Formats: sequence, C-alpha cells, structure tokens
Amino acid sequence: KNQVEQSPQSLIILEGKNCTLQCNYTVSPFSNLRWYKQDTGRGPVSLTIMTFSENTKSNGRYTATLDADTKQSSLHITASQLSDSASYICVVRSGTYKYIFGTGTRLKVLA
Amino acid sequence: NAGVTQTPKFQVLKTGQSMTLQCAQDMNHNSMYWYRQDPGMGLRLIYYSASEGTTDKGEVPNGYNVSRLNKREFSLRLESAAPSQTSVYFCASTLGLAGGSPSTDTQYFGPGTRLTVL
Repeated sequence: KNQVEQSPQSLIILEGKNCTLQCNYTVSPFSNLRWYKQDTGRGPVSLTIMTFSENTKSNGRYTATLDADTKQSSLHITASQLSDSASYICVVRSGTYKYIFGTGTRLKVLA
Repeated sequence: NAGVTQTPKFQVLKTGQSMTLQCAQDMNHNSMYWYRQDPGMGLRLIYYSASEGTTDKGEVPNGYNVSRLNKREFSLRLESAAPSQTSVYFCASTLGLAGGSPSTDTQYFGPGTRLTVL
C-alpha cells in the first residue's frame, strides 16, 4: 500500500533555532517528492520539489534532502521565524495524476 | 492573478441537503482536483479532471459528483449530505502537460471550504 509517513507529528521550537522534519515513503512508482507549507486556514503551498536523481534542494531557509535508496526525505529549516509556524506536508507523486499526501508535521515557533 | 478561488469559504448543511462547491483557476491550467482534508489524515483525492471534458474518480468518490464546466471551472456536488462529509475541501490545479517537467505538475491550491454537516 502506498504510504507517506511523517515525523514528528508536532514540534515546538524557539525562534532562531533550526529543526528537521522527516518523511518516509513507500510509494511505487515514484515520480517526485514535494514539501508543502500549509498555514492555518489556508491551502498548501509548494516549497520544494525533488526528483529521483536529486539529493538536496534549497529554497531560502528551507533545505530538502532525498535518499531514494532508503526512501527517506527531510526538510531542514534554518534560523526559524515566527512565520514558519505552520503544517509541513510531504507529498509523493506516483503516476500522472496520483499524489500521496503525508499527514503533516505541525510546527510552532515561539518568540 | 487570483490563482485558485473557492466558494463558499464556510457552509453548514443539514443531513440530506445538497450543495455545490465552486472552484475556478485563472492560470490556464489543464488539470484540476478536489481533495478533502480530515484531522489526522493526509489530503485524499475525491475526483480529478485531467483536461477539459474529462473527469475521473479518486480515492474517496462516494457521495460526490463533479463537473468540469470549462477549462477554468471545476465544481463538486454533494447530492445528499451526510455527517461523514464534514471536512475541509480543497480544490487544486496543475499545468498538467503530458511529459512535462516536474514543475508543470506543481499543485496550486485554493483557500478551502470548511463544510459542516449536522
């Protein structure tokens, strides 16, 4: 069964600190993997996309990694800001119109 | 560009009532999707439309119908609402070019409709 699992479920950090969110997937076939940010009451917004051949990709303070052998991805947030408080969702595309969503990690950044 | 818009933002229905959720995109995207998001679960696909004139079932289609009215608009209809359909509904679109680069399948989401069925 295609699955995307994320950990931790929730995380609280102090402003300025770094954090890493994890995503493990068992999805076949694999097309690409994305990280989305979802603010409370809003729709998800794409942060990064990674294909099978990519190991690392950055978008500002967000850095995503992908290990296709172990089927793991991580999202590292550097120097966190209050505006980073949101849910972060890992999504694996499998086939043309099939996207498998994780349940997300809810991040809260405290001043 | 407004991106993807959804109406209404909130709705309360009684069991058995019907309603239509509206979605429109102004990015000239080919593919559109309807998802539902429930607490503790990932977004689940209800229906999608790969291109104008086509619709297909997703993971959880029971109790729903869709219409791809034109390239811009994709509506979701609940014919007889049930409490199990209480959820947040998201519409999304992608450029959806066959054989396109990964960037062409970036999903752009609307703000969501929060539906409660009593």
